[in-house]
Amino acid sequence: AQKITQTQPGMFVQEKEAVTLDCTYDTSDPSYGLFWYKQPSSGEMIFLIYQGSYDQQNATEGRYSLNFQKARKSANLVISASQLGDSAMYFCAMRRYTGTASKLTFGTGTRLQVTL
Amino acid sequence: ETGVTQTPRHLVMGMTNKKSLKCEQHLGHNAMYWYKQSAKKPLELMFVYSLEERVENNSVPSRFSPECPNSSHLFLHLHTLQPEDSALYLCASSQGLAGVMETQYFGPGTRLTVL
Repeated sequence: AQKITQTQPGMFVQEKEAVTLDCTYDTSDPSYGLFWYKQPSSGEMIFLIYQGSYDQQNATEGRYSLNFQKARKSANLVISASQLGDSAMYFCAMRRYTGTASKLTFGTGTRLQVTL
Repeated sequence: ETGVTQTPRHLVMGMTNKKSLKCEQHLGHNAMYWYKQSAKKPLELMFVYSLEERVENNSVPSRFSPECPNSSHLFLHLHTLQPEDSALYLCASSQGLAGVMETQYFGPGTRLTVL
């Protein structure tokens, strides 16, 4: 069975600083994908970044980067130069290879608060 | 851009009511999903449709009845709900391709309160 663990229920970061949100996963599948989503108070889940299990390089999307350590089964999200608008819930998720349609397993999330 | 829309955004209903949640995707995707998000719990996958055919039903009570009339629309029909069904219901869509890199895109959710 797949499992995603996010051990930080809440994090604070000062504006313009970098922050790392932790995510560890458990799977026996050789091929899988890892995703991070942002959920502001409005409720919508916003896709941020993706990392494939066979990708050699860490994924980056603007201010977001994914610190992928396969041997440790961790996929931490790094947000650089935090902005007030980054305050939200952040979810790590994993997709296994299952054929058509995409089935994601989500973690419990980390609430990030950016302060002045 | 609102690729996935959901209506209504908020819904309050009694336990004997019947209501429906609507989801529409404008992304040309072939797969659609319903998730339930309760407080302090991970998102729970409820239903998956691929090419209008249900491919997953994660032991969801029969008081939740999904309908997918075409690849752009997905409904969740609700009847005789319980207070513990109060949650945020999220709809998502994806291309429906095999492979691990497929990304799901979510709507804004419907906040449901059952009295």
